[in-house]
Amino acid sequence: EDQVTQSPEALRLQEGESSSLNCSYTVSGLRGLFWYRQDPGKGPEFLFTLYSAGEEKEKERLKATLTKKESFLHITAPKPEDSATYLCAVQVNYGGATNKLIFGTGTLLAVQP
Amino acid sequence: KAGVTQTPRYLIKTRGQQVTLSCSPISGHRSVSWYQQTPGQGLQFLFEYFSETQRNKGNFPGRFSGRQFSNSRSEMNVSTLELGDSALYLCASSLARAGETQYFGPGTRLLVL
Repeated sequence: EDQVTQSPEALRLQEGESSSLNCSYTVSGLRGLFWYRQDPGKGPEFLFTLYSAGEEKEKERLKATLTKKESFLHITAPKPEDSATYLCAVQVNYGGATNKLIFGTGTLLAVQP
Repeated sequence: KAGVTQTPRYLIKTRGQQVTLSCSPISGHRSVSWYQQTPGQGLQFLFEYFSETQRNKGNFPGRFSGRQFSNSRSEMNVSTLELGDSALYLCASSLARAGETQYFGPGTRLLVL
């Protein structure tokens, strides 16, 4: 069964304290891996798409990397406004055309000033 | 470019009633997917529409249905509401090809009493 697991479930950081979030996946064939940020009561906001092992993407204080079994979201010198739930999702290649996403349960990040 | 819009934003219904939620995708996007988000189950895929045809369906009972119109706008319907249907319903749109990034709307918060 295709599965996505995120760790830790929750993370509390001091402002400026860098860390990484993990997303491990077990799928039959990966088409793409996606990172989203979700603020309370809002829809997920797109951050990154990764398609192949070794790929890296960066945006401000965030950097996403991908291996054959997992992805990391590195947060460098976080600020309080980075506090949110970070969601990882995968698209599986079932052989047909579909954009179905399988989501992990997310990591709740709190950055304290 | 305007983002994904969903209406209504909030809805209160009683058990046994039915509800229709609406989604307008980003201009040019032809694929629309629906997800249910609850604290216990996280984000779960409901169904995906492309060119007015259902392209994929998740593991939800037949009370959940949807459709897509020629202008790519989509609606989802839930009949005979149950307490457990209380959730945030999210719509996401993407370009036609599989593997494309999905962009989410703000969601419709449904409360079933």
